[in-house]
Amino acid sequence: GEDVEQSLFLSVREGDSSVINCTYTDSSSTYLYWYKQEPGAGLQLLTYIFSNMDMKQDQRLTVLLNKKDKHLSLRIADTQTGDSAIYFCADANRDDKIIFGKGTRLHILP
Amino acid sequence: DGGITQSPKYLFRKEGQNVTLSCEQNLNHDAMYWYRQDPGQGLRLIYYSQIVNDFQKGDIAEGYSVSREKKESFPLTVTSAQKNPTAFYLCASIDRGSEAFFGQGTRLTVV
Repeated sequence: GEDVEQSLFLSVREGDSSVINCTYTDSSSTYLYWYKQEPGAGLQLLTYIFSNMDMKQDQRLTVLLNKKDKHLSLRIADTQTGDSAIYFCADANRDDKIIFGKGTRLHILP
Repeated sequence: DGGITQSPKYLFRKEGQNVTLSCEQNLNHDAMYWYRQDPGQGLRLIYYSQIVNDFQKGDIAEGYSVSREKKESFPLTVTSAQKNPTAFYLCASIDRGSEAFFGQGTRLTVV
C-alpha cells in the first residue's frame, strides 16, 4: 500500500537552514503537504505543492519535489526557536486518500 | 467563520463501551477524514469519505465505524472491539486542490 517516510529527528543550530526530507510510494499523488504540530496543538498547514510542480517558495519555506524519485523536501531558512515542532509530510492521491508520515521532530540548538 | 469542529476535546470511556466522536465542518468540503495519532506513530488513517453516504476504510479501520449521512458531519464510533483506543483523534476535511483543514482533536482515554 501507500507509504510516506520521514526521518524522526533533526537538530539544527539557530540561524542555520533546516532541511526535512520525505519519500513516498504512491504513483498517483496529486498533492503533497507539509504540516507543523507544536506540543499539545493541532496541525497547522505550512505549505503544499501540486505533483506537477518542482518547487514552491513561500517566505522562509522552500519545497522541492523530485517526482521521479518520489522525494519531497522542506527547507526552512534562518531557523528560529519558534520553528521547534514536529513536521509532517502528507501525500494525497487522486482518490482523495491522504497518508501522513510519522513526523520529523525539529530541535533547535542555541 | 468557516471551520471544522471536533467535540468533545477530552473523552473518557470505560472498557467495553462504545463512544462516538463528533466532527462537523461548514466549509462545504466533500471529503472528510479521521486519523488517530499515537506518540511516535504520526497520523494513521482510520476512515475517509469522499461523498455523502459513502466511505472507505483506511489503514487501521478495525474496531471503528463511521457514517456520512450529511455533508457537514462525519462522526466516528470507537467500538468495544478496538483493543487499544486511548489516543488523540483528528478529523480533517479537504477542498480538492487546496489544504486539508484539521479540527483541534479529541483525546480519548480508556479508564
